[in-house]
Amino acid sequence: GQQLNQSPQSMFIQEGEDVSMNCTSSSIFNTWLWYKQDPGEGPVLLIALYKAGELTSNGRLTAQFGITRKDSFLNISASIPSDVGIYFCAGRFYGQNFVFGPGTRLSVLP
Amino acid sequence: KAGVTQTPRYLIKTRGQQVTLSCSPISGHRSVSWYQQTPGQGLQFLFEYFSETQRNKGNFPGRFSGRQFSNSRSEMNVSTLELGDSALYLCASSLADAGVAKNIQYFGAGTRLSVL
Repeated sequence: GQQLNQSPQSMFIQEGEDVSMNCTSSSIFNTWLWYKQDPGEGPVLLIALYKAGELTSNGRLTAQFGITRKDSFLNISASIPSDVGIYFCAGRFYGQNFVFGPGTRLSVLP
Repeated sequence: KAGVTQTPRYLIKTRGQQVTLSCSPISGHRSVSWYQQTPGQGLQFLFEYFSETQRNKGNFPGRFSGRQFSNSRSEMNVSTLELGDSALYLCASSLADAGVAKNIQYFGAGTRLSVL
């Protein structure tokens, strides 16, 4: 099935550093969602975006809906150990189902 | 408000058997979608149910089927299990179906199926 491109695939950062990851699609979307998944658990919704150019924050997390409508970005500021996990993006066009990226695995070193 | 509940959390089956997984959506949510998650393929869409009707179906063989009840609870069935069916099966619920804007999906913790 269709998947989005997500980069980087994995990253190792020091506690306190900022993190940036992005997600791209060959199709335009009307909705972008960002999820975090911990081992053995289901994805938890972090941020939802509905409009091109939209910038939304959730605590230390900020996500943006790209103006081309084919990409989205997630930033985490001042990372902490509990940020460890896999971050997934998901996008869809109206009337269609969500497609998911392969995920970015984040490791935070103390 | 209770979240999406999936049962059982873990399941071990042998090849050729069949399995039924259950999902109770968030109260008031009428749409339930099922996904298969594997390390190699990521999250793959199986099907979506809305008001007891299958609205969309992913690219999976007919061994994978599902249904939704009048209380929006959903079950997924896999018949004649194969080794490759080992995966985390996730259920996601939302207020409305895919045709509605601002339609957010909330996931359950998943059922880990191991086929031996």
